Amino acid sequence: SSEVTQDPSVSVALGQTVRITCQGDSLRYYHASWYQQRPGQAPVLVVFGTNNRPSGIPERFSGSNSGNTASLTITGAQAEDEADYYCNCRDTSGNHLVFGGGTKLTVL
Amino acid sequence: QVQLVQSGAEVKKPGASVKVSCKASGYSFFSYGVSWVRQAPGQGLEWMGWISADNGKTNYAQEFQGRVSMTTDTSTSTAYLELRSLRSDDTAVYYCVRDVHVGSWRYFDYWGLGTLVTV
Repeated sequence: SSEVTQDPSVSVALGQTVRITCQGDSLRYYHASWYQQRPGQAPVLVVFGTNNRPSGIPERFSGSNSGNTASLTITGAQAEDEADYYCNCRDTSGNHLVFGGGTKLTVL
Repeated sequence: QVQLVQSGAEVKKPGASVKVSCKASGYSFFSYGVSWVRQAPGQGLEWMGWISADNGKTNYAQEFQGRVSMTTDTSTSTAYLELRSLRSDDTAVYYCVRDVHVGSWRYFDYWGLGTLVTV
């Protein structure tokens, strides 16, 4: 079982805004990072340190945190954003890392 | 450019061991740790543990304690994952990732392409 939980699936209309959430007690204390995984590919980092984007990641990806919930927001979703998204952070002990179960994003 | 090149697919019998390699290039190997992450078919990502490329210190996820070893060869900038007493539910793609610690931030900025291990 994971110490952080995600909704299994979310859908968004093309060009609209979608928020993907990650909940867990450790998120009150530790930053989340977010990873995009397209079918058959390795994951890619899209947001780290709650709301920082690596170079090459479009500005439409942003992150935030409130209490025990971290969020990844895609503003103006594109067809190529259809993928699985995973959050990651330290566990409540602070010693280990955990992934959320992943959210499958469908762009309609 | 940063690259993590992993060894090829493996097929093992239950009870056997497997050793996966991950050769890093394009950065100072000593400056970052390496984590290993696995993904069973159709399932999510699972963090297995971390090794410091600087001093070899390790930190394993509870689930793998006693069955996993992570090592590095600094002369070749290569990290290794060994998993013993393999079971059918160890069938997965195993990824090595560059593990970044910056203050309170911790994240995986580069990923290998993965190594499929079939038990």
